[in-house]
Amino acid sequence: DIQLTQSPSFLSASVGDRVTITCRASEGISTYLAWYQQKPGRVVRLLIYGASALESGVPSRFSGSGSGTEFTLTINSLQPEDFAVYYCQQLNSYPITFGQGTRLEI
Amino acid sequence: QVQLQESGPGLVKPSQTLSLTCRVSGASISSGPYYWTWIRQPAGKKLEWIGRVYTSGATNYNPSLKRQVTISLDTSKNQISLELTAVTAADTGLYYCAGGDSDILRAWGRGTLVTVFS
Repeated sequence: DIQLTQSPSFLSASVGDRVTITCRASEGISTYLAWYQQKPGRVVRLLIYGASALESGVPSRFSGSGSGTEFTLTINSLQPEDFAVYYCQQLNSYPITFGQGTRLEI
Repeated sequence: QVQLQESGPGLVKPSQTLSLTCRVSGASISSGPYYWTWIRQPAGKKLEWIGRVYTSGATNYNPSLKRQVTISLDTSKNQISLELTAVTAADTGLYYCAGGDSDILRAWGRGTLVTVFS
């Protein structure tokens, strides 16, 4: 199975900050990577797919980059609603796997 | 807009079979191309992909669960089913269904909590 390792696991930030979350794959996955946001009591939300494509309706302050084994999710100008847990997902090979999550808190 | 809602028994005894359903609204599960996926999350742990079913009924499963799991379509009720046999405490967690035109999961349910408890 392809292992995804996110860093950091926990991130403390403030409204208005710019933050970056990294996802490293145990082997190359081209750009077959997606990012999701999970908030308590809310439906999990797709943010980014294909490593860098912004899902429709997702604010432009979210961006993704990378290919191969290293990927980043960047959030510019943090808003209060952005405090959540973020997961990366690889779609290159089965079984589909997820990173362990990054908790973004104030 | 596709909406999904999971439902199930909540409590299951060890060695029994867990059966969950995912009701889909806003789309027909038999028209596609569309993939319907089950994912679970033990408390405090990461998301685990269980498997998926295509609109044709073809399935793919996580090898770690392949001997236990069956995912199927019920087109008459527009819902997706998950069966997990011989459950243990390790199967306790939040179970999600999700859908997309590939393995990119564009629509998720809120999840249903399953506890394996004797």
